[in-house]
Amino acid sequence: KNEVEQSPQNLTAQEGEFITINCSYSVGISALHWLQQHPGGGIVSLFMLSSGKKKHGRLIATINIQEKHSSLHITASHPRDSAVYICAVRIGGRTNFGNEKLTFGTGTRLTIIP
Amino acid sequence: NAGVTQTPKFQVLKTGQSMTLQCAQDMNHEYMSWYRQDPGMGLRLIHYSVGAGITDQGEVPNGYNVSRSTTEDFPLRLLSAAPSQTSVYFCASSYTIQGALQTNEKLFFGSGTQLSVL
Repeated sequence: KNEVEQSPQNLTAQEGEFITINCSYSVGISALHWLQQHPGGGIVSLFMLSSGKKKHGRLIATINIQEKHSSLHITASHPRDSAVYICAVRIGGRTNFGNEKLTFGTGTRLTIIP
Repeated sequence: NAGVTQTPKFQVLKTGQSMTLQCAQDMNHEYMSWYRQDPGMGLRLIHYSVGAGITDQGEVPNGYNVSRSTTEDFPLRLLSAAPSQTSVYFCASSYTIQGALQTNEKLFFGSGTQLSVL
């Protein structure tokens, strides 16, 4: 069983819709990353969370440490949001920072139709 | 800053050939890593480095070598290419700021190398 599970695997929505992508993990973590991979292949870091919630523009990321779950929300979705969204977790305690042991989900492919 | 520069973008090799994927970052990050991305799987760690002169194996190190002679450069060498090494490869660097209450970390990725081994 993968330690990081993302859902859904694929999501197609109309422009303007509110989007939610989920990430669940099965072990204790010290941090969770949300990444965006565009069709050209490049990967961009969106958020790092260790607790609570972060917002950047139309993107909101939340994490519930007790439930081992994180969500990425996109408000007023736009075709340029079409990409693969990847969740990655750093397993273990705070002392794991600096030791490159990230575990990645397989990604959610989001397509926004105009 | 150029960020993380990864070359080449595309490469085709024959089985048994060797090659080096180049990776350089200009952000003075201590931590650098190489991942491979295969269909239906998450990124998997090949090798990583926590500073110049220090490297370690990741999840899938077989068939690959790395070195870190400077902070900036972290090349990945394929010793004798095999079809199983057909994949997309990403180099990444990161920084971590550890505070008393909170730790912040940010990841930076190269643009990727699509490698085909025939």
